[in-house]
Amino acid sequence: KAGVTQTPRYLIKTRGQQVTLSCSPISGHRSVSWYQQTPGQGLQFLFEYFSETQRNKGNFPGRFSGRQFSNSRSEMNVSTLELGDSALYLCASSQRQGATDTQYFGPGTRLTVL
Amino acid sequence: GQNIDQPTEMTATEGAIVQINCTYQTSGFNGLFWYQQHAGEAPTFLSYNVLDGLEEKGRFSSFLSRSKGYSYLLLKELQMKDSASYLCAVNSNYQLIWGAGTKLIIKP
Repeated sequence: KAGVTQTPRYLIKTRGQQVTLSCSPISGHRSVSWYQQTPGQGLQFLFEYFSETQRNKGNFPGRFSGRQFSNSRSEMNVSTLELGDSALYLCASSQRQGATDTQYFGPGTRLTVL
Repeated sequence: GQNIDQPTEMTATEGAIVQINCTYQTSGFNGLFWYQQHAGEAPTFLSYNVLDGLEEKGRFSSFLSRSKGYSYLLLKELQMKDSASYLCAVNSNYQLIWGAGTKLIIKP
């Protein structure tokens, strides 16, 4: 079975721009969660989608948004980029909704904002 | 608030045993995960504890005490490949709250 894939792997943007990241979960997995990881901060939960509906949301500003398609693929959008948005963005998929299931992580998208 | 504490960094010797602690204060508790993350790679699942006690899986074991808000990950017969960060995450009201991770350095 193919693992979780994320595109692109690396991205360089400038302040004020917007960016869209993509995540394809493991086949059969209906839940996709997004995380931001920065050195020393650990994983910060952004949001979770299950069956095309946002089920849970972390404490991030409205500039961060996402969606999930009928094939469970998910996209995350960040508008009006700030320097502090530079981070590794990870998505994780699981079969069931919520945090009760093992999550399988993709390799991440490393976003650099200049 | 919700808080998870882990030591920032630990050093151990190849072949030895190391215990990585995780203490948590969360509004709810539905289980605790441990993940391993090698530098530049994605986290991978190690263990999941819901009930008190010790779960053993090969060289790795994980312990949970819900009354104390405490868990540890025990790694035996350490190998160089165990050098990684170890992340503790608590399922609090069906949202995962993550610790900042413990960087484990293995010396020969």
